[in-house]
Amino acid sequence: GQQVMQIPQYQHVQEGEDFTTYCNSSTTLSNIQWYKQRPGGHPVFLIQLVKSGEVKKQKRLTFQFGEAKKNSSLHITATQTTDVGTYFCAGHNTNAGKSTFGDGTTLTVKP
Amino acid sequence: EAQVTQNPRYLITVTGKKLTVTCSQNMNHEYMSWYRQDPGLGLRQIYYSMNVEVTDKGDVPEGYKVSRKEKRNFPLILESPSPNQTSLYFCASRWKSGNGYTFGSGTRLTVV
Repeated sequence: GQQVMQIPQYQHVQEGEDFTTYCNSSTTLSNIQWYKQRPGGHPVFLIQLVKSGEVKKQKRLTFQFGEAKKNSSLHITATQTTDVGTYFCAGHNTNAGKSTFGDGTTLTVKP
Repeated sequence: EAQVTQNPRYLITVTGKKLTVTCSQNMNHEYMSWYRQDPGLGLRQIYYSMNVEVTDKGDVPEGYKVSRKEKRNFPLILESPSPNQTSLYFCASRWKSGNGYTFGSGTRLTVV
């Protein structure tokens, strides 16, 4: 079945440093979504990427979808303590109901 | 307020005692889904539903049942819970036409 690998598992940064998490799928995806989960909270939807090579930005966050639609990345510029949490990608194939999440990257930010 | 409501938030039960976790959404979403979250394993999809009376298995359906008799409700049923079903469970819903899931606040289940 479809597998989605996410690296790194953990990332510790100093406030102000950049952060990137990577997602790789074993199969070509129809779209990929990104979520953020704060400690003790539930996942919150951030963005969806659909097109090959797509790049989207949300303030300090930049999301990319690979040309082959099998990989994606989330980059945060100049991290802040409010960025702390676990970031998940979720891949979807032609069966739109089925979603496969990566294991997440947990970001901690030292002030 | 648009939301997904799960109940209960916390539950401790004994092995073999049937239980139901309820999930309700007020956004008229077509898609609903159940996930379990375990340390180091991310979110794994248990079952999903693409509309009323349409349900299908996710990646880890064993030991669970679901039903979708109404659009707003998607209960998760554990007929005979076992300790390996101790986990944090999330219900989620979304529109058919795209965009991401809205998640409930979670149900922390402990089976002893």
